[in-house]
Amino acid sequence: DTGVSQDPRHKITKRGQNVTFRCDPISEHNRLYWYRQTLGQGPEFLTYFQNEAQLEKSRLLSDRFSAERPKGSFSTLEIQRTEQGDSAMYLCASSRSDQGSYEQYFGPGTRLTVT
Amino acid sequence: LAKTTQPISMDSYEGQEVNITCSHNNIATNDYITWYQQFPSQGPRFIIQGYKTKVTNEVASLFIPADRKSSTLSLPRVSLSDTAVYYCLVGGGFKTIFGAGTRLFVKA
Repeated sequence: DTGVSQDPRHKITKRGQNVTFRCDPISEHNRLYWYRQTLGQGPEFLTYFQNEAQLEKSRLLSDRFSAERPKGSFSTLEIQRTEQGDSAMYLCASSRSDQGSYEQYFGPGTRLTVT
Repeated sequence: LAKTTQPISMDSYEGQEVNITCSHNNIATNDYITWYQQFPSQGPRFIIQGYKTKVTNEVASLFIPADRKSSTLSLPRVSLSDTAVYYCLVGGGFKTIFGAGTRLFVKA
């Protein structure tokens, strides 16, 4: 069990640029989640996949955000036309559907800074 | 989803037992109670989950009264490395709602 990995760990970009983050879940986990966390706050749910299907998307997720999980394994989160308000830690988590739904395993996160 | 209320911060000393209480007055019948721990610059880590009465694992205990409107996370004999943010979550399904959590400071 190598844990959930995320790449990159840090990203600095200029406003208006597009960025893409990758998440590799624990191999036998069929559920994958994306969260965003700003300083001093708890993680905010963004979206959820079961296998390759995106089953829920938060209203926090504007049209500039898109997530994919094409083969039910790794996932990508893309932010188009970044804004300074997008600066945050982006967390990925995974779980198995036969576990309690709150027992999620989190990655180390990708810290995005938009200048 | 049930809203939770936790203290913003708590202080303790090494070796003491720490109890963090979470209020969730609107908990639904099917809701579970889950606690996570988060260190700076890391993702949250699952600690414990329960539905009623008491649950214990190698790191913590979770006490849930009969009315389930609150729960208490108990950390025995804390050390400096237990300094972290602790989140109480209530609900069911995949949509996980984190509050602001409780910042625990353990002093030497």
